[in-house]
Amino acid sequence: NAGVMQNPRHLVRRRGQEARLRCSPMKGHSHVYWYRQLPEEGLKFMVYLQKENIIDESGMPKERFSAEFPKEGPSILRIQQVVRGDSAAYFCASSASVDQPQHFGDGTRLSIL
Amino acid sequence: DQQVKQNSPSLSVQEGRISILNCDYTNSMFDYFLWYKKYPAEGPTFLISISSIKDKNEDGRFTVFLNKSAKHLSLHIVPSQPGDSAVYFCAASPLVFNKFYFGSGTKLNVKP
Repeated sequence: NAGVMQNPRHLVRRRGQEARLRCSPMKGHSHVYWYRQLPEEGLKFMVYLQKENIIDESGMPKERFSAEFPKEGPSILRIQQVVRGDSAAYFCASSASVDQPQHFGDGTRLSIL
Repeated sequence: DQQVKQNSPSLSVQEGRISILNCDYTNSMFDYFLWYKKYPAEGPTFLISISSIKDKNEDGRFTVFLNKSAKHLSLHIVPSQPGDSAVYFCAASPLVFNKFYFGSGTKLNVKP
């Protein structure tokens, strides 16, 4: 999965804290996607961004979750006031255009104590 | 609302034989399909794709078949190798949206 870089790989937070997950897309890719995977389940789409724009956030919970992809720097998925149910693996993917496959990072495993 | 389903959670195959992984979908708007392979603690790796204008796409040992009328696709791996042991996800999207719906995965075990 070289190319899409996610950090941190593992993140531990206590209930009520904030979690920030970062994603640097592959070089030349301007489309970024975030997915969440719960244990024993497939990946669930959360949000699709292009530089500075949210294109589709239909999979994002309405509260506490936000995402951005600034002109400079990585894409950030932010979860405020985390709860135990937020524990999951969060994957970021990028693509060069909408008709190209998405390439995934190795994910951030978020654990809530 | 599971729009993409992989009904076999696991599959075991002997090395050298064919592995057939199946996937069903419900949304007739899907027109772009992909298979990903995933090892533990890693992200999914793109394997092969097919668009709805085709019914077959081949890449080396991997072939994907699409049956639009049945809303069914399958991945064939021939011959299977121990290194193919992984979880395989199928994914589908309406092309214009590029938002993928994933199945729950099939864990393939290729025995030496």
